[in-house]
Amino acid sequence: GAGVSQSPRYKVAKRGQDVALRCDPISGHVSLFWYQQALGQGPEFLTYFQNEAQLDKSGLPSDRFFAERPEGSVSTLKIQRTQQEDSAVYLCASSAGRAYYGYTFGSGTRLTVV
Amino acid sequence: AQRVTQPEKLLSVFKGAPVELKCNYSYSGSPELFWYVQYSRQRLQLLLRHISRESIKGFTADLNKGETSFHLKKPFAQEEDSAMYYCAPSAGGTSYGKLTFGQGTILTVHP
Repeated sequence: GAGVSQSPRYKVAKRGQDVALRCDPISGHVSLFWYQQALGQGPEFLTYFQNEAQLDKSGLPSDRFFAERPEGSVSTLKIQRTQQEDSAVYLCASSAGRAYYGYTFGSGTRLTVV
Repeated sequence: AQRVTQPEKLLSVFKGAPVELKCNYSYSGSPELFWYVQYSRQRLQLLLRHISRESIKGFTADLNKGETSFHLKKPFAQEEDSAMYYCAPSAGGTSYGKLTFGQGTILTVHP
């Protein structure tokens, strides 16, 4: 596609519910990143994929967070047993190659846990 | 640990005035440096990258390795420059380039 697409745009979840957030990167982009942006803060790194391989998951805040990219294109970020502190905008970004080209970000999914 | 500081949460200037958004970083190695911008109701987008030595929309950013700063400057601000600006170093070299974002500076340019 022309850009990075994320769905849903908004998600309201009851505490304890599981959620799945989808990211469709730009076609052919090898690198895919997930970031979490809490209200009033800059985005914080969650995890990185190179094709289907998850090379860095050091930013995932707990074992309730899980990400996958099984075929090296679409990625899903899953949060189990959501908590209020998970409320944030989840951003996906993709890149064709080297980091110094910069990333293209999606519009994000705003998750609200009530 | 990598750290990025944008000391001004809010910055207001009048149209035509010079503007400088400050960024200081603490980073191991030789990071590559970026500025990202988010206009109202739009997605986060790359504004400029140090490696390209480019000027985008009249903005430039000078790297001062001694002070570990990468301030963003524009000599004459325009109303359409009003946005949230993020400084973001990334690990350089052969790394895939995980970005560390500052907290951001909201720039408001008044008519």
